Amino acid sequence: GESVGLHLPTLSVQEGDNSIINCAYSNSASDYFIWYKQESGKGPQFIIDIRSNMDKRQGQRVTVLLNKTVKHLSLQIAATQPGDSAVYFCAENSPNSGYALNFGKGTSLLVTP
Amino acid sequence: ETGVTQTPRHLVMGMTNKKSLKCEQHLGHNAMYWYKQSAKKPLELMFVYSLEERVENNSVPSRFSPECPNSSHLFLHLHTLQPEDSALYLCASSPTPQGSEQYFGPGTRLTVT
Repeated sequence: GESVGLHLPTLSVQEGDNSIINCAYSNSASDYFIWYKQESGKGPQFIIDIRSNMDKRQGQRVTVLLNKTVKHLSLQIAATQPGDSAVYFCAENSPNSGYALNFGKGTSLLVTP
Repeated sequence: ETGVTQTPRHLVMGMTNKKSLKCEQHLGHNAMYWYKQSAKKPLELMFVYSLEERVENNSVPSRFSPECPNSSHLFLHLHTLQPEDSALYLCASSPTPQGSEQYFGPGTRLTVT
């Protein structure tokens, strides 16, 4: 079946380093991708999104890369800060998946001083 | 904090109780969603409303009953729940019901005893 998954369940980085969180998807019809950050006790917070007609999109300290050939999505966080510690989810939507955003299980990012 | 609010933030209820969760969005969005988030599982879409009309019901048991009286408010009525229904229930809204970013509320932590 179609799935969205994350390569690593946990990622530990030092403050100031760059972080890369990866996500694989299997639905070749997926045309919309989104990254969320969820801190403890809070709902998911929108970070950045990208559509399938793009390979790269940048935000404030974040970059999302989309490789449609290998069905891979990544989130890069520059100069990681302690406040970036959270669980990060990727999600995708396709025309044939209806209204659902299909979420992965999440990667826990821990930023150490 | 996002423009989506949820009340109550925490709820403990017995299996024979009836309770309701409330969600309000202040973003002028046309679509609203209910999700269930259980430990170590991806977010599960429960219901989708577009312009106050239910457009998706993801095989949710009838003990969960949604209501959308207008485009800014969404309720989830609960009755005769089971302990396995204990989870974080998240409300979200988006400008359109497909292919756009969803903004989440902080969630209601539900415990069924």
